[in-house]
Amino acid sequence: DIQMTQSPSSLSASVGDRVTITCRASQSISSYLNWYQQKPGKAPKLLIYAASSLQSGVPSRFSGSGSGTDFTLTISSLQPEDFATYYCQQSYSTPKVTFGPGTKVDIK
Amino acid sequence: EVQLVESGGGLVQPGGSLRLSCAASGFTFSSYEMNWVRQAPGKGLEWVSYISSSGSTIYYADSVKGRFTISRDNAKNSLYLQMNSLRAEDTAVYYCAREHSNFISSSWYCWFDPWGQGTLVTVSS
Repeated sequence: DIQMTQSPSSLSASVGDRVTITCRASQSISSYLNWYQQKPGKAPKLLIYAASSLQSGVPSRFSGSGSGTDFTLTISSLQPEDFATYYCQQSYSTPKVTFGPGTKVDIK
Repeated sequence: EVQLVESGGGLVQPGGSLRLSCAASGFTFSSYEMNWVRQAPGKGLEWVSYISSSGSTIYYADSVKGRFTISRDNAKNSLYLQMNSLRAEDTAVYYCAREHSNFISSSWYCWFDPWGQGTLVTVSS
């Protein structure tokens, strides 16, 4: 099974900060990497698919990069509505996909 | 509007059974693969099961194989998860999620979008 790790597990940031979250796969997954945002009590929401493609309707301050085993999600200027938990997901071994453990972004 | 609505969650004793449903609307349900994903309280996301658009191909996570059964009724635009021999560790919010695929740069990619709001299953005596 492909294992996913994320770092950091949590971070505190201020509105306007640039935030970077890292996701690492236990083996090469090419660009088969998606990012989701989850707010408390809500379902996950797709942000980025295929490592760097922005989902329709998602603000352009979100961006994704990487390929192989190392990936990043960047929020260029953190907004109040961005405080949430972020998960990466590998779809290389679809349909048996796996998620990272999550990164919680909270207010500094 | 594309929408998925889960139902059927609740409190069940260890060893008991429960059947979850997911009602789909706003898209051609029969054209899409579907998945169940769960999230234990305060924990991360765990993929549970997959079913192809026709229902002919099915996969399960090892943690539920032999106990859970995924199915669908395309005429009713509905997805199901029959859960038997439930254990305390099955306690979680269960989400249904549509699998979306697209051909990008000569490869097929897939992702989950949208997700339902989730239904809570609690296994406890």
